[in-house]
Amino acid sequence: DGGITQSPKYLFRKEGQNVTLSCEQNLNHDAMYWYRQDPGQGLRLIYYSQIVNDFQKGDIAEGYSVSREKKESFPLTVTSAQKNPTAFYLCASSIDGLSNQPQHFGDGTRLSIL
Amino acid sequence: GEDVEQSLFLSVREGDSSVINCTYTDSSSTYLYWYKQEPGAGLQLLTYIFSNMDMKQDQRLTVLLNKKDKHLSLRIADTQTGDSAIYFCAETNAGNMLTFGGGTRLMVKP
Repeated sequence: DGGITQSPKYLFRKEGQNVTLSCEQNLNHDAMYWYRQDPGQGLRLIYYSQIVNDFQKGDIAEGYSVSREKKESFPLTVTSAQKNPTAFYLCASSIDGLSNQPQHFGDGTRLSIL
Repeated sequence: GEDVEQSLFLSVREGDSSVINCTYTDSSSTYLYWYKQEPGAGLQLLTYIFSNMDMKQDQRLTVLLNKKDKHLSLRIADTQTGDSAIYFCAETNAGNMLTFGGGTRLMVKP
């Protein structure tokens, strides 16, 4: 089954700790995206990548880092510099980042602070 | 910058039609999307419309676009309890970056 897999579904972070959220897709999509969703709000773009080994900051990149070493994988690290990390994190992918192809989403990871 | 606005809440009775509205400000928008989010889940793409179209119909879903007024609507015919969810509209310009509205929570009463 083709799709986008995010793991874990729930994640807890201690103060001062970095945590990494996984996003894997087997759709052969070039472009991948990370969004943050806060309660009652829409999605805000953290980082995106249009091709392997390249990524760009979105609207709220501070306190986050990403890598894109493989086409199918786009992990997001929430660093200790992100002071308010509690949110629902959504990963998406699209065929490419240029031609307005729809973005398809994973099922999300809910991150909470211990 | 771009801005996308939606009303927060809509309540309808099962079997009625639902109309969810959205306004946007970016006149260079090329595609406009409707996504559905069920509790604790990701976003499911429902439908999308290219900016040179006025209407698109897909089974129970009808999308209307008034480009002059920058107004987008999603009509769900014969609304069912399984349609209860949060609905997001989103617009994209040439860079394929999505700008989302804040979401409309649809509650369907039996």
